[in-house]
Amino acid sequence: GNSVTQMEGPVTLSEEAFLTINCTYTATGYPSLFWYVQYPGEGLQLLLKATKADDKGSNKGFEATYRKETTSFHLEKGSVQVSDSAVYFCALYRSDTGNQFYFGTGTSLTVIP
Amino acid sequence: SAVISQKPSRDICQRGTSLTIQCQVDSQVTMMFWYRQQPGQSLTLIATANQGSEATYESGFVIDKFPISRPNLTFSTLTVSNMSPEDSSIYLCSSHRRANTEAFFGQGTRLTVV
Repeated sequence: GNSVTQMEGPVTLSEEAFLTINCTYTATGYPSLFWYVQYPGEGLQLLLKATKADDKGSNKGFEATYRKETTSFHLEKGSVQVSDSAVYFCALYRSDTGNQFYFGTGTSLTVIP
Repeated sequence: SAVISQKPSRDICQRGTSLTIQCQVDSQVTMMFWYRQQPGQSLTLIATANQGSEATYESGFVIDKFPISRPNLTFSTLTVSNMSPEDSSIYLCSSHRRANTEAFFGQGTRLTVV
């Protein structure tokens, strides 16, 4: 079946530290991969996406590369800010299985000044 | 993109009562979904809201407990019926167009059942 395994949190970093949040997936075929961010009291917002192998999604200094050989889509940012404090969700999408998204468990990030 | 308005944003309800959550999308979309996000957990799909027909429910969710309506392409409701404290959760509406795989989310409804 389809599933996403995400690094457990919570993660606490100092401002300007390097961030990595690991995400691996299980799926047949070629799913699209996403990172969503949820700020306190808000819904999920798309952060970045990649639709095929070796694609790199990037936005607001965050990056993730679709690695089919390792079935991974790790989220990275070189220098985090306090405003990056949020919960991050890795997700995959398969159009041939009911147009459904499959989400990881979410990783809470807190950035301290 | 699509903007999704969801209301209420939060509510505190007595056990045994029902709450209806509304979801309005600012443009016509093909797919609308309802998710539940329990404290500290990921999103679990409840059902796909089908326009003009009965919703398609995921395993573990039934129509009697979570009736869903979708009278047109931009509006849907989810009712949480005969609530118990175990129903305390965040409920999220989501939509996307079949041709564009990005999913858009409402801000969620934080439900507390006492």
